[in-house]
Amino acid sequence: EAGVAQSPRYKIIEKRQSVAFWCNPISGHATLYWYQQILGQGPKLLIQFQNNGVVDDSQLPKDRFSAERLKGVDSTLKIQPAKLEDSAVYLCASSSSREISYEQYFGPGTRLTVT
Amino acid sequence: AQSVTQLGSHVSVSEGALVLLRCNYSSSVPPYLFWYVQYPNQGLQLLLKYTTGATLVKGINGFEAEFKKSETSFHLTKPSAHMSDAAEYFCAVSAGGTSYGKLTFGQGTILTVHP
Repeated sequence: EAGVAQSPRYKIIEKRQSVAFWCNPISGHATLYWYQQILGQGPKLLIQFQNNGVVDDSQLPKDRFSAERLKGVDSTLKIQPAKLEDSAVYLCASSSSREISYEQYFGPGTRLTVT
Repeated sequence: AQSVTQLGSHVSVSEGALVLLRCNYSSSVPPYLFWYVQYPNQGLQLLLKYTTGATLVKGINGFEAEFKKSETSFHLTKPSAHMSDAAEYFCAVSAGGTSYGKLTFGQGTILTVHP
């Protein structure tokens, strides 16, 4: 089966600009996650969707970050305006269930550099 | 709240030697524990997980980990390292008691395997 797809793979922007990332999960996976992975750190959950509803966005900086999952399939994560500290890899993952024991499948990530 | 500490940000072993990557966790309730591997420019891949039952867990690629409640540890081992094991490894914890807890990752350990 096809894995989790993400685009773009790399993005360089200047601070205060806006940027959007796209994720296409594994077909049939109802649960979708966005993680932020800063260099030298483990991934940090930003937001979790169950179908097209938000389950957990407690660590999403809502003043500048937004995410949506229309129709319960693809998802986009937007940053507006970007700050230098947003430089990171943004990982999308999907799972067939909300239950944590079910495996999360990760995409290759989008590497964002803010200058 | 739960947390994860991975002892040693870099571990270097010779090919054929024992691999030992250390992970200690903190959780106020029985945890679910995971090890993920990340190869360069790729997403994370699940190696193994502990939810309930047998405390010695076997995963892919010859890795295994043992849940030790008294030591709050979940160390990852492999009897004989292979060059292809060179990657970054992440330990993660989710609060048990709820099936829907989010993953909290450690900061990662980079494993280098030299001939």
